[in-house]
Order: sequence, then structure tokens, then C-alpha cells
Amino acid sequence: NAGVTQTPKFQVLKTGQSMTLQCAQDMNHEYMSWYRQDPGMGLRLIHYSVGAGITDQGEVPNGYNVSRSTTEDFPLRLLSAAPSQTSVYFCASSYGLAGAHQETQYFGPGTRLLVL
Amino acid sequence: GDSVTQMEGPVTLSEEAFLTINCTYTATGYPSLFWYVQYPGEGLQLLLKATKADDKGSNKGFEATYRKETTSFHLEKGSVQVSDSAVYFCALTLYNQGGKLIFGQGTELSVKP
Repeated sequence: NAGVTQTPKFQVLKTGQSMTLQCAQDMNHEYMSWYRQDPGMGLRLIHYSVGAGITDQGEVPNGYNVSRSTTEDFPLRLLSAAPSQTSVYFCASSYGLAGAHQETQYFGPGTRLLVL
Repeated sequence: GDSVTQMEGPVTLSEEAFLTINCTYTATGYPSLFWYVQYPGEGLQLLLKATKADDKGSNKGFEATYRKETTSFHLEKGSVQVSDSAVYFCALTLYNQGGKLIFGQGTELSVKP
């Protein structure tokens, strides 16, 4: 199993550009989430999904869109990049069984994004 | 609101020293508690967890006990190694909120030989 994979590893954007961060998992997990990591702030939830076709907002959703058309993939779209979106982005997944709040989340290696 | 607070870093220790990283939480209901570790240049991985009061999570010599009365989940290790140098995150999920981790700010640990 490859686990959770993310592409690209690193990206530089100019203000106003759009892009999609890719996330895929091969563990047949129902739950998938996107977090951003900023210095001194830990990780904050952007969007999450409890299954194909179902998404919801997290703590910091503004400026980001998601969709979940398959169980495996959960792309994160930046509509019009801003310098405040410079961050490291992590995708995570978990099984989503009964008692899902007790489950381990599995994280991808991250995408480092710089917006100029 | 629901939140996690960790002691500020960086924490610098000599090899074989005792480690404590404090973590306290505020949450409605009965959360599950986690410690995740991030080694340099990598994503996060689970270190240990506890899902109910008085449970003790343990892994790789690290331990943490879920203390409901003090709303704490402090991480301890009796003898740290250089290879333990990493950033440690305390986190929780609320009941019926699986897939939604709430993180502390992270504590950077540096262990010197």
C-alpha cells in the first residue's frame, strides 16, 4: 500500500493564480481531511469528507474548494491564491467505522505552497 | 470552544534525560486524545492515543494518561534519544466528529548527544 499520497511536494504561485492540490489514498478509507500547518498554530482543518459525494467545512475553509467524486481521491482547489495561503498542506484519511472519533488518522507527506 | 493547549517549545534536552510535554484540553463531551509526531521533512504519524478517562497510551517508550479530572494528557518518556528529535502535537477528536482533529500548537523537541 502506498498509503496517503500528495502531489506536488512543492509549488510556487503568484497572487491570483489557481491550482489543485492532489490527495489520494489506497486504504479504502471513508473519511478524508485537509489541514494546513502554520508556525505556532499547529494544524487547522480546512475541509473534510465522510464519504464520496459528501464534504463539509472545517475551521478555515475560505478560499478553498473540495469535492469527493471517488473514495480514493480528495483534491483541494485554491480558487485565487493569496499570500495568506502560504503554508504546508496535509491530507489525512481514516476508516470511518463506528467509533470513528477513536480512529487513527493517516497523513500524507505534505505539500509546501508559497504564494508570492 | 473546543481546544488543545501545549507547552511552548522548543525543548532542548540531553540524551537520556526525562521528557515531559504538557497538554491540556477543553472539550464538550468525552473526546479521544492523541499524540502525533512529525519528524523533520515528514508528515505526521500517530505516536499514541487514549479514548477514555484513565486510559494510558504507550508506544516506543512514550506514555500519556487521559486525566479527565485535570483535562490533561501529558506526554512522558523516561530516557530520550537523539532520534526522538521531532515536533510533537497533542490533538483530540470529539464524539461523533471522527475525521476532525483539533490540534495543539506543537512542541519542538531537540535532543543533543
